[in-house]
Amino acid sequence: GAGVSQSPRYKVAKRGQDVALRCDPISGHVSLFWYQQALGQGPEFLTYFQNEAQLDKSGLPSDRFFAERPEGSVSTLKIQRTQQEDSAVYLCASSLGTSNTEAFFGQGTRLTVV
Amino acid sequence: TQLLEQSPQFLSIQEGENLTVYCNSSSVFSSLQWYRQEPGEGPVLLVTVVTGGEVKKLKRLTFQFGDARKDSSLHITAAQPGDTGLYLCAGVARRDNRKLIWGLGTSLAVNP
Repeated sequence: GAGVSQSPRYKVAKRGQDVALRCDPISGHVSLFWYQQALGQGPEFLTYFQNEAQLDKSGLPSDRFFAERPEGSVSTLKIQRTQQEDSAVYLCASSLGTSNTEAFFGQGTRLTVV
Repeated sequence: TQLLEQSPQFLSIQEGENLTVYCNSSSVFSSLQWYRQEPGEGPVLLVTVVTGGEVKKLKRLTFQFGDARKDSSLHITAAQPGDTGLYLCAGVARRDNRKLIWGLGTSLAVNP
């Protein structure tokens, strides 16, 4: 596609529910990043993929967070047993190469846990 | 841990005024990026500065990278309501160029 696409745009989950957030990167982009962004603040790094390999997951806040990119294209961020503090915008970005020289962001998924 | 301090956090000005946003760190970055984010959208890259002392201009926006590559500034001349948004700086870490170190952002409101 023309840009990074994320779905759903909005998700309301009951506390304890599992959620799955999808990211379709720009076709051919090697690198894929997931970020968490609180309202009015900068993004915080969650995890990074180079093709299908998850090279860095140091930013995942707990073992309830899991990300995958099995075929090196679409990625899914899964959050198990959601809690209120998980409420945030989850941003996906992709870049053509293996460095952050130019990253393109999706519109994000706004997750609200009630 | 590399940190980027961005200031001011909030800025509300009248149309036509000039403003400067600062991004500072005690660490050296291999490059630094500036993004603009509108509500409900993801950040959009404005510019990347790479060389110490580098100045780049994008219409009414002027970006500067400090000589030591530890700090950067964004200056907007004659701000317009369309400039309203969240401005974010992000440094590319020297040890791992795949990871961006983000500032907290400057929320700019330009009033007509």
